Parts: sequence; structure tokens; C-alpha cells
Amino acid sequence: AQSVAQPEDQVNVAEGNPLTVKCTYSVSGNPYLFWYVQYPNRGLQFLLKYITGDNLVKGSYGFEAEFNKSQTSFHLKKPSALVSDSALYFCAVRDGGTGGFKTIFGAGTRLFVKA
Amino acid sequence: GAGVSQSPSNKVTEKGKDVELRCDPISGHTALYWYRQSLGQGLEFLIYFQGNSAPDKSGLPSDRFSAERTGGSVSTLTIQRTQQEDSAVYLCASSLVRRQETQYFGPGTRLLVL
Repeated sequence: AQSVAQPEDQVNVAEGNPLTVKCTYSVSGNPYLFWYVQYPNRGLQFLLKYITGDNLVKGSYGFEAEFNKSQTSFHLKKPSALVSDSALYFCAVRDGGTGGFKTIFGAGTRLFVKA
Repeated sequence: GAGVSQSPSNKVTEKGKDVELRCDPISGHTALYWYRQSLGQGLEFLIYFQGNSAPDKSGLPSDRFSAERTGGSVSTLTIQRTQQEDSAVYLCASSLVRRQETQYFGPGTRLLVL
């Protein structure tokens, strides 16, 4: 069975500083990895995904994530945080080897960017 | 085009009553998912439908929960004999047929069981 861990409930960063939101996963097959963001009073929006290929994936709003197979991690990063990045971030995994569509989400990490 | 829509947006019910939540996926999306998001918690997988295949019901928390998808489009999540712990936001998502495809989420139905 697949699982996702987001070890930090909350991340605080000053505007202009780099940010990292951590995610580790467990699957039996090849992982399909996703990041979604939930802004206050808005639905979940897709940020980026890793399916195969280059380990560094670039997504919306200047975010990127690096797939690290040996560490089973898929941390979300941004070189320079904005106050408007403050939101709830979810990492998700799907087992690419099982043929199913079941997607498991992490508990979420709340990002606060202070001006 | 239109995104995923859900109705009602809010539902208040009394303990023991049955409720039905509706999801209209994006046209052409053959995969449809239901999740539950409790206050301060992450998304809990409930069930997914993919085309004509048998749904994966492995996330449904009890036999009070059921879901159906009619005509490969609209889906209804039914909760029978609601309990206070069922209070949450119920999210629906849809995607294209391939497993690497992104899910598109609806705005959710906020359910409050008194």
C-alpha cells in the first residue's frame, strides 16, 4: 500500500527567502508524485508532478520539486517566497506499478510567508 | 470549459439522517474520485471510479457510505444514518483516463451533522 508523509505541520519563512516543504513517500511500484495547493476558501489546485524522466520538475507559480529515489522524497521548493504563497500544500502519491488510480495524500503542510 | 462542480455547497443535517452529495466531473474525464477533508486534516481517499471498471471502494470508512456513478458521468456519494464524526468537507475530483493524469478538484461540499 502507498503512503505519504509530510513531517512538518507548518513552515514559516520570510518573504524573499527560499522555501522547502518536505514530502516522503512509500510505494511498491514506480511512484507518480504530485503537489497540490489549497488557498483559503478555494479548491485544491495542481502545482506539479513527477511521472518519469528528469528528477527536477518545474511547475506553476515558480515552484519546483526534486524526486530523490534513494531517499524516497519529493520536496517542494521555491527560490524566493512570496506572501501570496501562504497556503496549505499537499503531497500525493499514486503507485504507477499497480494499474490503479488510487491516490494517497499527505496530511498537508501549512506555509506562512511573512512580509 | 467548466470545471468540476459539486452540490450542495453546504449541507446541515441532523444525526441519523441520510444525505446525498453530488459531483459533476469535467466532460470527457473518465476517472472520478471522492475524498474527505476533516477540519485541520489532510485528504482521506474514499473511492474512485474509472470508466466501466469496478470502483475501488477501499477508502470508504463504513458501510454507511456508498457511491455510484451513472452513465459514466455524474456521481453521488450517499451517507446513511449520519453521525457527528461524518462532519467534513467532501471533495470530488476528476481526471483523464491515464494514471499519470492530474486530478481536477471541485469546490467541495461542507457537511455539518448536528
